[in-house]
Amino acid sequence: QVQLVQSGAEVKKPGSSVKVSCKASGGTFSRYAISWVRQAPGQGLEWMGGIIPLFGATNYAQAFQGRVTITTDESTRTSYMELSSLRSEDTAVYYCARGSPGVPFDPWGQGTLVTVSS
Amino acid sequence: EIVLTQSPGTLSLSPGERATLSCRVSESVSSSYLAWYQQKPGQAPRLLIYDASSRATGIPDRFSGGGSGTDYTLTISRVEPEDFAVYHCHHYGGSLTFGGGTKVEIK
Repeated sequence: QVQLVQSGAEVKKPGSSVKVSCKASGGTFSRYAISWVRQAPGQGLEWMGGIIPLFGATNYAQAFQGRVTITTDESTRTSYMELSSLRSEDTAVYYCARGSPGVPFDPWGQGTLVTVSS
Repeated sequence: EIVLTQSPGTLSLSPGERATLSCRVSESVSSSYLAWYQQKPGQAPRLLIYDASSRATGIPDRFSGGGSGTDYTLTISRVEPEDFAVYHCHHYGGSLTFGGGTKVEIK
């Protein structure tokens, strides 16, 4: 049974970048896609993009094209999500989850709070 | 772009009552790609239902999903105290979109 553990909370300045990690333990890592989803305070869930570790193939939501980069390191079974040009509206909890088009999201990481403030 | 609209926004119920949550999709989709998640405060979402009506591992049978085309429902036959939470529907077909959520609160 795969478990996903994310890195800790971050506080960033507007205009900077943040990189959040998601480490998988147990189960198979490479064959299943990892997606990243964010949730602004009091808001719903928003898919940002995903990656299939085995192929390194990525797919990004149009709203984040050009600002988000998702990568994996198979040797450490870790996925990374980097978001650049941060603004206050990017303050949110960021989740990783195993899932992709055609595959429901399960399990989820515990979430990482990213606060963007001057 | 597919849009998922959940209703009601908030559902106030007493323990033991039946809960019926709605998810309307902006265009007809395959029911094979409709999921429901439960999210409690400070926690990550948890998969409850996938393929519109299949319960995920370990999910009690008081949770059931149904629907097709553009209209889907999540039903909790008798709400338990631990069921008070926010519920999200999710289309995981070609586009990956979520509804705005329904909060089930104690009346």
